[in-house]
Amino acid sequence: GEDVEQSLFLSVREGDSSVINCTYTDSSSTYLYWYKQEPGAGLQLLTYIFSNMDMKQDQRLTVLLNKKDKHLSLRIADTQTGDSAIYFCAEIISSNDYKLSFGAGTTVTVRA
Amino acid sequence: GAVVSQHPSRVICKSGTSVKIECRSLDFQATTMFWYRQFPKQSLMLMATSNEGSKATYEQGVEKDKFLINHASLTLSTLTVTSAHPEDSSFYICSALPRGNTEAFFGQGTRLTVV
Repeated sequence: GEDVEQSLFLSVREGDSSVINCTYTDSSSTYLYWYKQEPGAGLQLLTYIFSNMDMKQDQRLTVLLNKKDKHLSLRIADTQTGDSAIYFCAEIISSNDYKLSFGAGTTVTVRA
Repeated sequence: GAVVSQHPSRVICKSGTSVKIECRSLDFQATTMFWYRQFPKQSLMLMATSNEGSKATYEQGVEKDKFLINHASLTLSTLTVTSAHPEDSSFYICSALPRGNTEAFFGQGTRLTVV
């Protein structure tokens, strides 16, 4: 099964906040990442959090990490139509060479 | 931020032919590059890890003779899909890890369609 799990779809109204959730299995993960993928494009790193942090805020993005429950979330404040994309969470599965394990991705649709 | 250029962005090839995809780090040296494959509506699956000057390490289930990876320099890795079949049609994405860094930078991906 998947090492990293995410819900597949999220629909949100423009201007509202979006919260995307992710659970991971490797308790030794050092870094956890959020990537954004727009249609037909590669991946864009949005933000990352080190495992000894509980929260990281970067403009409209807030990452929360609950290490005990192995739960990671990404909150997007004031969601805009340009935020419509697939969002992947990922964890490092190998600290030697920084291999990443990705979740299946959450498709976020922003409606007017 | 650092730029990774992947080429081509789209390619259509006939069954049985081979296709080469290039991944270049434009403004940094990448000691490690990763190749991922993404099926429609699915996650990215790591195919292999390539380190400059050594053989690639393939993930379980990935045929190394079919997906040839060459990491000839600190700025270039290539993935060659040999004897392509329609089931190889997918979105292939590379990422490059700068020396001493924890953030890998991704290419824009290559949409391969085998007809």
